[in-house]
Amino acid sequence: EIEMTQSPATLSVSLGERATLACRASQSVNSNLAWYQQKPGQAPRLLIYGASTRATGIPARFSGSGSGTEFTLTISSLQSEDFAIYYCQQYNHWLTFGGGTKVEIK
Amino acid sequence: EVLLVESGGGLGKPGGSLRLSCAASGFTFSSYTMNWIRQAPGKGLEWVASLTNTTTFEYHADSVRGRFTISRDNAKNILYLDMTDLRAEDTAVYYCARGFGDLFPPNWFDPWGQGTLVTVSS
Repeated sequence: EIEMTQSPATLSVSLGERATLACRASQSVNSNLAWYQQKPGQAPRLLIYGASTRATGIPARFSGSGSGTEFTLTISSLQSEDFAIYYCQQYNHWLTFGGGTKVEIK
Repeated sequence: EVLLVESGGGLGKPGGSLRLSCAASGFTFSSYTMNWIRQAPGKGLEWVASLTNTTTFEYHADSVRGRFTISRDNAKNILYLDMTDLRAEDTAVYYCARGFGDLFPPNWFDPWGQGTLVTVSS
């Protein structure tokens, strides 16, 4: 099973600042990676697939990059509605999720 | 609007059974692989089960294989998860989600339902 490790576990960011979240795979997943956002009490929402393609309706301040084993989700200028937990998920070999990064207000 | 609405959660006893349902609308249900993903309280996401549109291929996670069964009714646009031999570690919010991807298993999930809470306790 491919293990997905997200870092940091918690990221404290001020409004308007850039947030950079990392996701590492235990072996190459090529570009077969998705990112989800989950707000408290809500279901996860797809943000990114194919490592860098934004899903429908996702604002341009969200961007994904990386391939192989190292991936990054960047939120260019944090808005109040962006404070949430973010999960990565590989689909190169079956499916596994990372443990999540909580983005909180600094 | 694509909508997935889960139901059937609640309190189940260890060793007992529950049936979850997911009613789909706003898209051609019979064209998509459908999936269950769960989230234990305060924990991350775990892929539980998937079933292709024609039921040709199915997947159940090791943690539930032999106890849970995914099925679907394409005429009624409903996805099911039959849960038997419930254990405390099955306590979680169970989400239904549409799968994307040309092959099996699906690649990513979009959208997700609001979830239904299953609590296993005596």
